[in-house]
Amino acid sequence: NAGVTQTPKFQVLKTGQSMTLQCAQDMNHNSMYWYRQDPGMGLRLIYYSASEGTTDKGEVPNGYNVSRLNKREFSLRLESAAPSQTSVYFCASSERQGLGNTIYFGEGSWLTVV
Amino acid sequence: QKEVEQDPGPLSVPEGAIVSLNCTYSNSAFQYFMWYRQYSRKGPELLMYTYSSGNKEDGRFTAQVDKSSKYISLFIRDSQPSDSATYLCAITGANSKLTFGKGITLSVRP
Repeated sequence: NAGVTQTPKFQVLKTGQSMTLQCAQDMNHNSMYWYRQDPGMGLRLIYYSASEGTTDKGEVPNGYNVSRLNKREFSLRLESAAPSQTSVYFCASSERQGLGNTIYFGEGSWLTVV
Repeated sequence: QKEVEQDPGPLSVPEGAIVSLNCTYSNSAFQYFMWYRQYSRKGPELLMYTYSSGNKEDGRFTAQVDKSSKYISLFIRDSQPSDSATYLCAITGANSKLTFGKGITLSVRP
């Protein structure tokens, strides 16, 4: 019972490099999310996808792009990485977006930009 | 004023202590209240949720909501070293926007 799986778990990038964080869920959820977590800042929503075929900006979308590839997969792309994007990234999913829907998180991806 | 404020911590208590973790919120439209627990180097996992004022118990854990004061709490009775983690409150309203507190790190000393 995998839940939400994200890869890679650890990555070091040089400033200006690009990379994609992959996320897949096996719970048949409609909604998926990307968060970043920084010390003293808590969890902040980057982008979300309420349902397959839709994506919307969250609180901190600048410097990121997303793709909802299908119902299972939601990827996060850094086109030109910056040191300010050093963070822990969490993918999450819920049955649907809305009141009372539990969000399930992946294990996290630790990204360092040097 | 931030929408959700959480006591910053960290918090260290001896095993067996009663722990009280608190959050305040500013938007009276918030309706659904959750507590997530996050172990080191893991993703957050839902611990408890409630949508009404009052108390909700689950084993050693009690979630309390006071909508009139816009105050939520998580109580842990007979705390154990295995309770050592970061606890995040999370609140959502009718617009479905989920807002997290910054989290408080709890350490339970054997």
